[in-house]
Amino acid sequence: QVQLVQSGAEVKKPGSSVKVSCKASGGTFSSYAISWVRQAPGQGLEWMGGIIPIFGTANYAQKFQGRVTITADESTSTAYMELSSLRSEDTAVYYCARDGTGGEPNWFDPWGQGTLVTVSS
Amino acid sequence: SYVLTQPPSVSVAPGQTARITCGGNNIGSKSVHWYQQKPGQAPVLVVYDDSDRPSGIPERFSGSNSGNTATLTISRVEAGDEADYYCQVWDSSSASVFGGGTKLTVL
Repeated sequence: QVQLVQSGAEVKKPGSSVKVSCKASGGTFSSYAISWVRQAPGQGLEWMGGIIPIFGTANYAQKFQGRVTITADESTSTAYMELSSLRSEDTAVYYCARDGTGGEPNWFDPWGQGTLVTVSS
Repeated sequence: SYVLTQPPSVSVAPGQTARITCGGNNIGSKSVHWYQQKPGQAPVLVVYDDSDRPSGIPERFSGSNSGNTATLTISRVEAGDEADYYCQVWDSSSASVFGGGTKLTVL
C-alpha cells in the first residue's frame, strides 16, 4: 500500500520561502489527489490546497492564495508545497495526505509523517 | 466558507460510549470523514463516508450523519482511544474543511 515520506524539518527566516516534498511509494500516485494540511502548535488541522498529479492543476484554500504553490512530479512520484513570505504564524507541522480513492474529492488516507517548519529570526 | 463545529472536549469512563459531534449547515448532504490524532503523530482515518471503517479500525468506531449534525461514536472506550478527533468535509467550492477538533479524555 502507498506510503508518503516527507522531507525533513526546516528553520526559516521571516520573509523567506520553504519547499517541502512528499514522496509516494508502493501505490498509485498520478491519479489520486495529494493535499497539504498544516497544524500550528496546539492548534487544529488546516487544509492548504491540493493537486491531482496527472492533471497538474492545483486548488488552493482562499487563505493561502498567492502565497502557496503546490506541484507534482510524476516521474519521481513526488509532490511539493512551497510557501512564500513566511511569517512567525506559519510555524507549524505540514502534512501531505493522499485521497483515499480517485475521482471526486474524498477522505485523506494515508498521511505523511509531517514536516516541522519553524519561522524565526 | 463552510464551518464545522466540534465540542472542544469530551470525557468518558473506560467501557462507556463516547459521542463526538460535528455540526454544519445541512451537513447531512455531505460526506463526513473522521480522523484520530495522538500527540506527536499524524492523523489517522477512522471513519469515512459518514459511517464506513477503514481496514484495521475496530468495530467500536462508528459514524452517522443527518440534518445538521454528524456523530462519531466510540463504544467500549479504552485508554488507547484518548486522542484528538477531527471531522472533515469538502465544501461546494472544492475546498476541504476540518472541524476544530475534540479532545477525548478517558477518565
